[in-house]
Amino acid sequence: EAGVAQSPRYKIIEKRQSVAFWCNPISGHATLYWYQQILGQGPKLLIQFQNNGVVDDSQLPKDRFSAERLKGVDSTLKIQPAKLEDSAVYLCASSGRIPADTQYFGPGTRLTVL
Amino acid sequence: DAKTTQPPSMDCAEGRAANLPCNHSTISGNEYVYWYRQIHSQGPQYIIHGLKNNETNEMASLIITEDRKSSTLILPHATLRDTAVYYCIVRSPNAGGTSYGKLTFGQGTILTVHP
Repeated sequence: EAGVAQSPRYKIIEKRQSVAFWCNPISGHATLYWYQQILGQGPKLLIQFQNNGVVDDSQLPKDRFSAERLKGVDSTLKIQPAKLEDSAVYLCASSGRIPADTQYFGPGTRLTVL
Repeated sequence: DAKTTQPPSMDCAEGRAANLPCNHSTISGNEYVYWYRQIHSQGPQYIIHGLKNNETNEMASLIITEDRKSSTLILPHATLRDTAVYYCIVRSPNAGGTSYGKLTFGQGTILTVHP
């Protein structure tokens, strides 16, 4: 079974530029999560989708971050404009239909903002 | 979700059992204990989870105390490839509210396996 796919793996941009990350969850998984992991810390949930709908975006900085999940499969996370403090690894995870299902993570995208 | 407390770091000799403790004294009756690990430059990897009973799979064993206020993850024969950050997470299975099954990661335990 294929795992969660993410691209790109690495991205370097300058502050005030925009960037987008892509995630393809495990086939059939209804729930998709985006996490931010700053160096030396555990991952922090940014947004959670159930199929197409957002069920939790309380930790998403909505003035600069946006995410969508069209057709309930792939998802993109965008940052516009980026700040230095956005340098982090952005992790995508997916799980089955119900919230209690185990989450499986992708390899992450390492973002460096200069 | 209940908060967990883990030691910041532990060492283990290769081939020996690694026992990683976790305190979760405020755990609620329906909350599960999950363990993930994160090897350098990779995403977190699911290891095991449990509610009340001890659990075992091909990767590890999970021992949960009778009062459920603490647990221990056991890697029976640690190898160098088990060097990673290990996260103990208490997770609500319920939909709705502020939880909706999300994982709240702490700092974890850095396990270093020595030759």
